[in-house]
Amino acid sequence: EIVLTQSQVSLSVTPGQPASISCKSSQTLLHSDGKIDLYWYLQKPGQSPQLLIYEVSRRFSRVPDRFSGSGSGTDFTLKISRVEAEDVGVYYCMQGMLLPITFGQGTRLEIK
Amino acid sequence: DVQLLESGGGLVQPGGSLRLSCAASGFTFTNYAMNWVRQTPGRGLEWISSISGSGSSTHYADSVKGRLTISRDNSKNMLYLQMNSLRADDTALYYCANTQHWGRGIVVTVSS
Repeated sequence: EIVLTQSQVSLSVTPGQPASISCKSSQTLLHSDGKIDLYWYLQKPGQSPQLLIYEVSRRFSRVPDRFSGSGSGTDFTLKISRVEAEDVGVYYCMQGMLLPITFGQGTRLEIK
Repeated sequence: DVQLLESGGGLVQPGGSLRLSCAASGFTFTNYAMNWVRQTPGRGLEWISSISGSGSSTHYADSVKGRLTISRDNSKNMLYLQMNSLRADDTALYYCANTQHWGRGIVVTVSS
């Protein structure tokens, strides 16, 4: 089983400031076709997770461009260039390369 | 708009059965593998089962193998999860999801 580790349990950010969330995988997530099955989701309070980023760095439809994803191999990062109040919630990384699909433990973003 | 709507949850006694349903709309259902994912405060997000777009291939987490059965009816755009031999640790919020969209979730409580 691939273990995804999000080392930050929570972070508190001032509006307008950047934020960075890391996700480390116990194995490389590189498919034989060159794709990397790493996703980022945001679960806002009282809601279900919503997709932000797929294949490491591709923004899903209608996701603001202040969100970006990067990484390779086993280390991945979600960055928010300028945090807004609506960005609060828990951020999860997920891998779909190998079954079982696994999730990170989540990183809670709070606004200062 | 894409919509995934779960139903069929509720309170069941240990050893009992329940069938979850998920009605999908707003996308070409047969083009997507579908998943059931559950969430608890203690275990976070836990993938439990997947089914291919055609329904010909299914996969299960070890924790539910032999007790839960995933299926789909592409003529009705419906996803199902038959849950048998339920245990207290199956208590969770259950989501129907593909990689892009998640339903709102349905609560399953296993308790005497």
